Amino acid sequence: AQSVTQPDIHITVSEGASLELRCNYSYGATPYLFWYVQSPGQGLQLLLKYFSGDTLVQGIKGFEAEFKRSQSSFNLRKPSVHWSDAAEYFCAVGARGSGNTGKLIFGQGTTLQVKP
Amino acid sequence: KAGVTQTPRYLIKTRGQQVTLSCSPISGHRSVSWYQQTPGQGLQFLFEYFSETQRNKGNFPGRFSGRQFSNSRSEMNVSTLELGDSALYLCASSASGFNEQFFGPGTRLTVL
Repeated sequence: AQSVTQPDIHITVSEGASLELRCNYSYGATPYLFWYVQSPGQGLQLLLKYFSGDTLVQGIKGFEAEFKRSQSSFNLRKPSVHWSDAAEYFCAVGARGSGNTGKLIFGQGTTLQVKP
Repeated sequence: KAGVTQTPRYLIKTRGQQVTLSCSPISGHRSVSWYQQTPGQGLQFLFEYFSETQRNKGNFPGRFSGRQFSNSRSEMNVSTLELGDSALYLCASSASGFNEQFFGPGTRLTVL
């Protein structure tokens, strides 16, 4: 069965510092991979996605993520965090194949706090 | 393009009642997925509809059902509400079900 693990439940960084949020997945083949961000009481906004090809993907708001097949990881990074980045971040996996349509499996989320 | 819209945004019901939530996908998107988000269980997939047919289903009891109309709008229904059904219900649309999903703002359901 597919699963997603975000090892860090809560992370605090200083404004201007770099950020890395970890995501590990379990899946037999190469899945579709996503990072979403959720502000309190809101829906999820897509930050970036990986389907195939270049393993370093760029997203919105200055975020990037790197797919590492050997480590089954898809970590999210940002070189300089802004106070507005404080939110909850979710890594998600979508499986290929006709029996897996429309279904994303999410990690438990990482709450990012930004210190001034 | 307008984003995914969900109505109503907030609902308060009592145990035993039923509720219907609505979702309008992004124009041109034919796949609509529904998720339940709770503090304890996180985000869990309920089901996906494509061209008025349920194509995929998660592990939820039969009290949770849905449908999709010819214009791709979707509704989900929860019958015989239980306290544990209190959650944020999120709808997401995608072009085909294999692409990225775009989420609506959610419907916050509280069951008393």
